[in-house]
Amino acid sequence: ILNVEQSPQSLHVQEGDSTNFTCSFPSSNFYALHWYRWETAKSPEALFVMTLNGDEKKKGRISATLNTKEGYSYLYIKGSQPEDSATYLCAFTPPTDKLIFGTGTRLQVFP
Amino acid sequence: KAGVTQTPRYLIKTRGQQVTLSCSPISGHRSVSWYQQTPGQGLQFLFEYFSETQRNKGNFPGRFSGRQFSNSRSEMNVSTLELGDSALYLCASRPGGNTEAFFGQGTRLTVV
Repeated sequence: ILNVEQSPQSLHVQEGDSTNFTCSFPSSNFYALHWYRWETAKSPEALFVMTLNGDEKKKGRISATLNTKEGYSYLYIKGSQPEDSATYLCAFTPPTDKLIFGTGTRLQVFP
Repeated sequence: KAGVTQTPRYLIKTRGQQVTLSCSPISGHRSVSWYQQTPGQGLQFLFEYFSETQRNKGNFPGRFSGRQFSNSRSEMNVSTLELGDSALYLCASRPGGNTEAFFGQGTRLTVV
């Protein structure tokens, strides 16, 4: 059974704080690692798709790193804003190319 | 470009009934996947169709089935509904391998 774990389960931060989450996945049979943001009452939206060990991706204040050898990825948010409040999901893809999601990290940013 | 469309958005069914959910992917996307989300659980993978063929399957009972048509639209069917099938069902489309998934808004199924 392929297990994807995310930590922490939830996080409450003040506006302006920087924060990071972890996604752990099997280090064997790696194909890709996805990050999605899921805001309440909306659909999940892709943030990053990462495929290479050592990959670093950035979109505005959000960035992600990937370590396929040890099976983890970090998502960083610099200077959190209330609009960053959402659930952040990671998904591991083995060579079969199906997305196996973690349970997510729920972020709440207070003004 | 139109996004992924799921119908209906909300559905209430009685135990023992069956239900069919529909998903229209983004034009040109050949892969459609289905997920179930229940409280406290992440997105559980149901199955994926690519060019009308089931390419991947999750660990769900045979009551859950799906199909994909030649225009890439997909349907998911659940027979003999149980209370535990109450969930948000999401579909996602992708143009091909190793690309991001685009999600629909989901169908909220309540089984009473």
